[in-house]
Amino acid sequence: DTEVTQTPKHLVMGMTNKKSLKCEQHMGHRAMYWYKQKAKKPPELMFVYSYEKLSINESVPSRFSPECPNSSLLNLHLHALQPEDSALYLCASSQSGGWETQYFGPGTRLLVL
Amino acid sequence: SQQGEEDPQALSIQEGENATMNCSYKTSINNLQWYRQNSGRGLVHLILIRSNEREKHSGRLRVTLDTSKKSSSLLITASRAADTASYFCATSSVFWGKLQFGAGTQVVVTP
Repeated sequence: DTEVTQTPKHLVMGMTNKKSLKCEQHMGHRAMYWYKQKAKKPPELMFVYSYEKLSINESVPSRFSPECPNSSLLNLHLHALQPEDSALYLCASSQSGGWETQYFGPGTRLLVL
Repeated sequence: SQQGEEDPQALSIQEGENATMNCSYKTSINNLQWYRQNSGRGLVHLILIRSNEREKHSGRLRVTLDTSKKSSSLLITASRAADTASYFCATSSVFWGKLQFGAGTQVVVTP
């Protein structure tokens, strides 16, 4: 199984809402990532978890809160987002480190009103 | 900041033609990877070339790496409409712990 799944596929939320994005992989990978991607731009790294510990936080605003409950799951908790946070949010995983091949999920399309 | 720059930004070709795109980067790397992204979907890994390799093939894909010029190229031969996508190069180093993506090349293949 070389699949990374993400839910939901689409999300519309108001600026006062709290929501969560979920990501799951069953490849036994120990590194997982959250990226944000705007239209016609490359993915921007947000967070890296390595062996279930946060190893990289790319100075992301605190309204984004990552969580790694176990080695297969990755969540991104959203609170008080701004319209400019509307984007495609991608989850990825790799065997153990960020220099390796990364396997991406299909993404969650987020619209903040 | 972006490590890689890709050229061209956009490419439009007809089915059966070859498509070539280039990636340049700034600092030493362990490997360079190419990814494809169909519109609004996740990225798919195409090929990884290590810093001690010069050329690699995978099906209709050919990747070259010139570490002295800090550049790589991706060639897609005999393109098909299904190759229409954005293509990103990504460089990595064990010291960074992450991938650095280029700006991407949008390829449109018309039947």
